[in-house]
Amino acid sequence: DAGVIQSPRHEVTEMGQEVTLRCKPISGHDYLFWYRQTMMRGLELLIYFNNNVPIDDSGMPEDRFSAKMPNASFSTLKIQPSEPRDSAVYFCASSYRGNQPQHFGDGTRLSIL
Amino acid sequence: AQTVTQSQPEMSVQEAETVTLSCTYDTSESDYYLFWYKQPPSRQMILVIRQEAYKQQNATENRFSVNFQKAAKSFSLKISDSQLGDAAMYFCAYRSAYNNNDMRFGAGTRLTVKP
Repeated sequence: DAGVIQSPRHEVTEMGQEVTLRCKPISGHDYLFWYRQTMMRGLELLIYFNNNVPIDDSGMPEDRFSAKMPNASFSTLKIQPSEPRDSAVYFCASSYRGNQPQHFGDGTRLSIL
Repeated sequence: AQTVTQSQPEMSVQEAETVTLSCTYDTSESDYYLFWYKQPPSRQMILVIRQEAYKQQNATENRFSVNFQKAAKSFSLKISDSQLGDAAMYFCAYRSAYNNNDMRFGAGTRLTVKP
């Protein structure tokens, strides 16, 4: 079975540019999560969706960050404009129902110069 | 708010030996789930083992087992017969059963396996 698929795997861009990270959850999973991982702060939940609806975006750092889930098989996390402090590994995860383990994608390593 | 503490930033073990990684958590809830995830250099987050708080029996997955002490709020991971492929960051995680998507991770323990 295909796992959670994220793209791109690596992204390097200049400060001020728009960045779009993509995620395809496991088929049949109804929860989708976006995390950010940094050395300083560890793994932080940014936002999660249930049945394509954003439920809790309290972890989104600021208005420069936005996330969408137009359908059950696709989600995006967008940063506009990007800043060097946004550099991190961004993970997408999905789960079936709320009490099942979350399955993670391979992450996107984002570097903002 | 629930917090997860991993007090060992780094651990090392000799190949074929046993190692225990510590995790404690703070919660006022009675029902929750606990997980150990492994993150090798490839960066992928891999679920190793899970434990439901209402189950007294410690979870086991092949060479991986946990020592779940609910009263002490402790959830340690034991890796038996350590293999070189076990080298990774290990994260302990807590998820509330009441707010199923409130998942908190510890800071991680970096495990080195010596040949």
